Amino acid sequence: QVQLVESGGGLVKPGGSLKLSCAASGFTFSDHYMNWIRQAPGKGLEWISLISVSGTTIYYADSVKGRFTISRDNARNEVYLQMSSLRAEDTAVYYCARRDLAELARFGSWGQGTLVTVSS
Amino acid sequence: QSVLTQPPSASGTPGQRVTISCSGSYSNVGDNYVYWYQQLPGTAPKLLIYRNNERPSGVPDRFSGSKSGTSASLAISGLRSEDEADYYCSSWDDSLNGVVFGGGTKLTVL
Repeated sequence: QVQLVESGGGLVKPGGSLKLSCAASGFTFSDHYMNWIRQAPGKGLEWISLISVSGTTIYYADSVKGRFTISRDNARNEVYLQMSSLRAEDTAVYYCARRDLAELARFGSWGQGTLVTVSS
Repeated sequence: QSVLTQPPSASGTPGQRVTISCSGSYSNVGDNYVYWYQQLPGTAPKLLIYRNNERPSGVPDRFSGSKSGTSASLAISGLRSEDEADYYCSSWDDSLNGVVFGGGTKLTVL
């Protein structure tokens, strides 16, 4: 079955960096766009970034543009989110999500999430 | 401030029918499919409705979606206690070149 497992979350100081990973299994990873979506404590969902199957198409939300970098390794079946210049408002649970088919906002599979806390 | 607007809360008694609205604009809901997600407490979101009104396998037919113009809605009939959750609408936004979500609606089963 489809499985997405995020890792790499933790406590980081403002201005610091962190790299999240998402390991995929149970499907052909190289066939699917992948996304990162976050949820601040007690708040709603916020889409962060997407990456195409080849990595040539990448989009970011304005809130993270220039600070976060999404990438993928199809040989390892992993997608990454490199986060830098972190702010308190980046504190959230970060989910990776698989986009289904060619539908731009259809996320049929989600990981369990990894918590990132930005605090001094 | 979310791009898509949902009521923050909704409620109903068991067996009732409730609807949750989602309002957007031409660049998102008006020109793209709407999706609905259910998030039970402490868990990751789950796809509930895709392409405005389609249900993934395993989602009960008590859940239905509709869209008209720049608004969409999720209806839940025969409300059950296990439907108590947060519900989010989402769509692609052509102007932002990204996915947008509503702020979420917390459904309480009284």
